[in-house]
Amino acid sequence: DAEITQSPRHKITETGRQVTLACHQTWNHNNMFWYRQDLGHGLRLIHYSYGVQDTNKGEVSDGYSVSRSNTEDLPLTLESAASSQTSVYFCASSWDRGRAQYFGPGTRLTVL
Amino acid sequence: GESVGLHLPTLSVQEGDNSIINCAYSNSASDYFIWYKQESGKGPQFIIDIRSNMDKRQGQRVTVLLNKTVKHLSLQIAATQPGDSAVYFCAENIGGGGADGLTFGKGTHLIIQP
Repeated sequence: DAEITQSPRHKITETGRQVTLACHQTWNHNNMFWYRQDLGHGLRLIHYSYGVQDTNKGEVSDGYSVSRSNTEDLPLTLESAASSQTSVYFCASSWDRGRAQYFGPGTRLTVL
Repeated sequence: GESVGLHLPTLSVQEGDNSIINCAYSNSASDYFIWYKQESGKGPQFIIDIRSNMDKRQGQRVTVLLNKTVKHLSLQIAATQPGDSAVYFCAENIGGGGADGLTFGKGTHLIIQP
């Protein structure tokens, strides 16, 4: 069955370290998204991509970057992790822009 | 671990009763709406969607109602079961395939009483 996976599921890192979170989908969706979810906030968009080599900044993109070298993967990189980036991160993909997005299981990141 | 349901509005219902979860959306230009279910420690799960040219759509045990006049969306869950315990949130899209895609609400925590 087609699916969307994220790895690792849990990560603890130190301030200043570079961290990369993986997202892989087998639906062949062109559109992929990264969100963070924090208490008191809804899902907040970090970066998104509408296809290979396309990347765009979302609402809370500072300190994060993404790259899209193929259809299946959209890794999220924290260039220099900060404590404010402690959060749960969700990857999602969709067939049509602005239509239903399907989410991965999430990565819980703790920055000490 | 922390629950996404903390600090959210809570709806408590008896098992077997019907649940109604409400969502007020902000943009009168929104043309597409989705309901998601999120269980503790898991990613949001698509439940049902509705386009703005419809007032009602039914799925398995769920019904979504859309009132464009007052910009209100509701999710009705029939014969609520323990497995329905989760945070439910709505999402809207203002249309045109805009760059920002979907806008998500913060959600309602549904608790099922035995």
